[in-house]
Formats: sequence, C-alpha cells, structure tokens
Amino acid sequence: RKEVEQDPGPFNVPEGATVAFNCTYSNSASQSFFWYRQDCRKEPKLLMSVYSSGNEDGRFTAQLNRASQYISLLIRDSKLSDSATYLCVVGDSGGSNYKLTFGKGTLLTVNP
Amino acid sequence: GAGVSQSPSNKVTEKGKDVELRCDPISGHTALYWYRQSLGQGLEFLIYFQGNSAPDKSGLPSDRFSAERTGGSVSTLTIQRTQQEDSAVYLCASSLVPGEQFFGPGTRLTVL
Repeated sequence: RKEVEQDPGPFNVPEGATVAFNCTYSNSASQSFFWYRQDCRKEPKLLMSVYSSGNEDGRFTAQLNRASQYISLLIRDSKLSDSATYLCVVGDSGGSNYKLTFGKGTLLTVNP
Repeated sequence: GAGVSQSPSNKVTEKGKDVELRCDPISGHTALYWYRQSLGQGLEFLIYFQGNSAPDKSGLPSDRFSAERTGGSVSTLTIQRTQQEDSAVYLCASSLVPGEQFFGPGTRLTVL
C-alpha cells in the first residue's frame, strides 16, 4: 500500500463549482497533515495545515479522519486560478527527525 | 524577504559526468530537505538536514548521491557518474516550523 494515496484525476470543473479531493495514508501513527499546491512547472507551496477538528480558510476546507486515515480538501466557488495539482502531505517525526511524505497529487483544471 | 534559491536552474550533462546542485535556504531556517520529482511523479525524499544533527540520508537512491550543508546554511547535492535515470527536477526546501516547508524553484537536470 502506498504511504500517501490520492486520486490522480484529472478533475475538470467549471468556474463556481465545488470540488472535493480525498487522500488516504498508511501510517496510523502519522502526526501532522497538510495540503500543498503545485502549479505547472513550479515548486510546491503550502496551502493549509489539516487539523483533527477540521479547518477552513476562505473557500478551502480541510478535514481529517484519523480512524479512517483519511484526509479531504473541499474547494467551494472554484476560480480559474485554483487550477493546479493538489498534494496531500503527511508528516512523521522520529527522534529529532521530521519528514514529509507527499502524495503524487490530484490535478485540477477549472474551466471558464 | 528572500525565499529559497537554487542554482543552476537548468543543467544538461552527459552520462558519466558529475554534477553539483546548490541550495540557499531561507535565513534562520534550521531544517533543509532535498527532493527530486520526475515527470508526472510525486516528490521523492532524498536527504534531510536538521541543525547540527547527523543528516537523514535514507532517501538517497545510491552511493552516487551525496549532500552536505556547510555552516548550517548553504547545501550542495552532488551526483557522481550521472545516469539517464537521474534526469529530474531537484527541489530544495527549508523549514523552521515542522511541516511548513518553503521550496526553491528547483534545478532541472537532464542527463544525455
């Protein structure tokens, strides 16, 4: 089983649509969770952290279900500028080390 | 302030040659990571430096790969006797807060 698994898409949605991405992770002891976004031929950038209680940042809502080892990202009222690859990321620490494991990403295209 | 910078932005080399890639992290960031990303693939962890601790080299694919970080700041990734399968984008990231990684623009390496 892959450490972090995402539906690769692509997702093609019209402007204004609501779209949801899902992600599962294999290590039940993982401690922290994030969504990063990567534009075409650019570097990844942190979009938001994911908290157990769920969190919202404007049009973006992230949720975590530790029991199911499942993370989600919901984008409401999607904009053309939301077109990107969305990376599900899981953080694990061991001793003084801290590492992120990245999913392969889900490609989103928002169409006019 | 200045972000993470990497040089060169592009490197074309011949099979069997050595290459050296450079990363300048954000000033004050104690953690530095190297990843590589092949076309259509996710980020593959290579190596991690944290402060003065011994680096975590668990992601290096072979002994042809090595990295160092001098003075807790600049890092160089060296690939000896390059092979065609080494062709990828090599990304460096620095971090002060676990999970919040800031990426450089990457070095696109092409091995002919």
